[in-house]
Amino acid sequence: GQQVMQIPQYQHVQEGEDFTTYCNSSTTLSNIQWYKQRPGGHPVFLIQLVKSGEVKKQKRLTFQFGEAKKNSSLHITATQTTDVGTYFCAGPTVSNFGNEKLTFGTGTRLTIIP
Amino acid sequence: GAGVSQSPSNKVTEKGKDVELRCDPISGHTALYWYRQSLGQGLEFLIYFQGNSAPDKSGLPSDRFSAERTGGSVSTLTIQRTQQEDSAVYLCASSYGTGRLNQPQHFGDGTRLSIL
Repeated sequence: GQQVMQIPQYQHVQEGEDFTTYCNSSTTLSNIQWYKQRPGGHPVFLIQLVKSGEVKKQKRLTFQFGEAKKNSSLHITATQTTDVGTYFCAGPTVSNFGNEKLTFGTGTRLTIIP
Repeated sequence: GAGVSQSPSNKVTEKGKDVELRCDPISGHTALYWYRQSLGQGLEFLIYFQGNSAPDKSGLPSDRFSAERTGGSVSTLTIQRTQQEDSAVYLCASSYGTGRLNQPQHFGDGTRLSIL
């Protein structure tokens, strides 16, 4: 079936360093969503990208949707301890039963070394 | 307004017992989703509802798992004859309709299920 993969699985960075997570789909996506899950918390919606090549920014976070709409990235500039958590991408995929559902990526867990 | 509410927040039970988890979605959200998350792992899709119907039950791990939704609102996830591998956090999310799935999902705090 359709898959949404993320790399890396884990990332440890010094506070102040940049961080990037990459999301790849086996099929073209109509849109991509990004979520953040703090340790012990639940996923929280960050942003949605719809257009090919779209780039959106939220303060130190930059989100990009690939031209082919099969990949996406999240880049954090100058990480802070508040950025700790797991970042998930999610995109609509079609199940084996022909139903469309939102499939979450495998997630990238970010830890910050103060 | 109120977010997605799940109960209980924690459940500890003995192997072989049945458990029922409840999710109360955001008012007006027609789509409701159940996920399972084991410690340090990603989100495992279980089932979703559009209104009261469940178009896709393919994520349910076994026939011990079932879910229903009534009145287009509250949903319950039932696990019969629980096994230790069922231990996980069960997350519920809701959103406006699934059309093209371009609506953000809003998650509850989850139910942490521990099977002894």
